[in-house]
Parts: sequence; C-alpha cells; structure tokens
Amino acid sequence: LAKTTQPISMDSYEGQEVNITCSHNNIATNDYITWYQQFPSQGPRFIIQGYKTKVTNEVASLFIPADRKSSTLSLPRVSLSDTAVYYCLVGPTGNQFYFGTGTSLTVIP
Amino acid sequence: DVKVTQSSRYLVKRTGEKVFLECVQDMDHENMFWYRQDPGLGLRLIYFSYDVKMKEKGDIPEGYSVSREKKERFSLILESASTNQTSMYLCASSTGTGVTEAFFGQGTRLTVV
Repeated sequence: LAKTTQPISMDSYEGQEVNITCSHNNIATNDYITWYQQFPSQGPRFIIQGYKTKVTNEVASLFIPADRKSSTLSLPRVSLSDTAVYYCLVGPTGNQFYFGTGTSLTVIP
Repeated sequence: DVKVTQSSRYLVKRTGEKVFLECVQDMDHENMFWYRQDPGLGLRLIYFSYDVKMKEKGDIPEGYSVSREKKERFSLILESASTNQTSMYLCASSTGTGVTEAFFGQGTRLTVV
C-alpha cells in the first residue's frame, strides 16, 4: 500500500487560499488520490478525487503532477467553517481505505 | 443520499464486558469497514468486509471480531472490553468495484471503565 505523508497541522487566516501537500512516493499505476475532510465529532467525508493533472469541484481543487508522487489540495478563500482535519488517501487497493493522521487545519479570524 | 447509521452515539461499558457495536448502511454497498480513531493516531482500520460472511483484518484487529450476516449490517464485537479500547469507533461503507469513496457514520464514542 502506498504510504502518504502530510503536514501535521497548518494555520491560515480567513479569506486566504490554503494548499495542503501530500507525498506518496510509492503510488501504484492504478491508484487514485482522494481527500477527505473531518469535523470534530463527525465521520470523515469525501472532498475530491483525482488520477492526474487537475480536478476541481465546488469545494476544492486537486493538483497532481505528472509523476504522481505528490498531490496538493487547494481550498480557495477559507472560512472558519473549513477548520477540520484533512486526510490524503492513495488507492483504494483491494477496496481498502487507509487513513493516516491527516493535517489539522485551523482557520484564524 | 447514502446513510450509514451506527446504533449508539455514546456507550459506557465495564472492563470484561462483551460489547457489540452495530452499523447499518442503506445503499446496498458491498464493502463495510470499522475504524477506531484516537488523538494523534488518526483513523486505524480494524476490520473490513467485502461481502456477506467475508472479513479481513485491518491494521489493529487484536481484541476485536466482526460479523456480517446480512449485506447491510456489519457488527464490531469486543469480546472482553478493556480500558485501552476506549476510543471513537467509526463505521464506513463503499461500493465494491472501481474507484469509489467511503461513506461514514457519525461514530460511537466508547468508554470502558
């Protein structure tokens, strides 16, 4: 299974763009990159998924370079409600979802 | 919308008790998962099931067992609860083929005293 590495925590001011980078050097050819968001006392929820280049939805953008060894989740103009833990997953492999410790994002007023 | 429902939001059990955590999903998903979440350790996979009566161990299966007698229901069993099993338990489900996402329940906060 491809291991992922993310920063443990990040702080940002309201209104700024936040970029969270995830390293996954051992990503396999058939692996996708998926990001989840978790608020306190709730289960994680899917944000965005991609295979290569760029994916954008109403919540975030996901940038994946050609070698796919890393990916960057971009949150435009964050608000206080974006304070959460963000998880980067690579796979699924064998229909398994392996979460790491995630990145705790704190948005400051 | 997919709904994953965990039977209890909060549970308090005594050491040595047998504990059942129940999870039901309503989207006919093949895969179901049990995780535990602890501060500083993220989510760790305990067991998952890809079909009725099928199960596979995750990263931390010791002290736990699971049961999946019906497709929509996946139970986590603590045979003899211990204080180090105090944690938040999260159930999830997903479709069984192709690229997919996991849908989570709200979690059960279990305290073993």
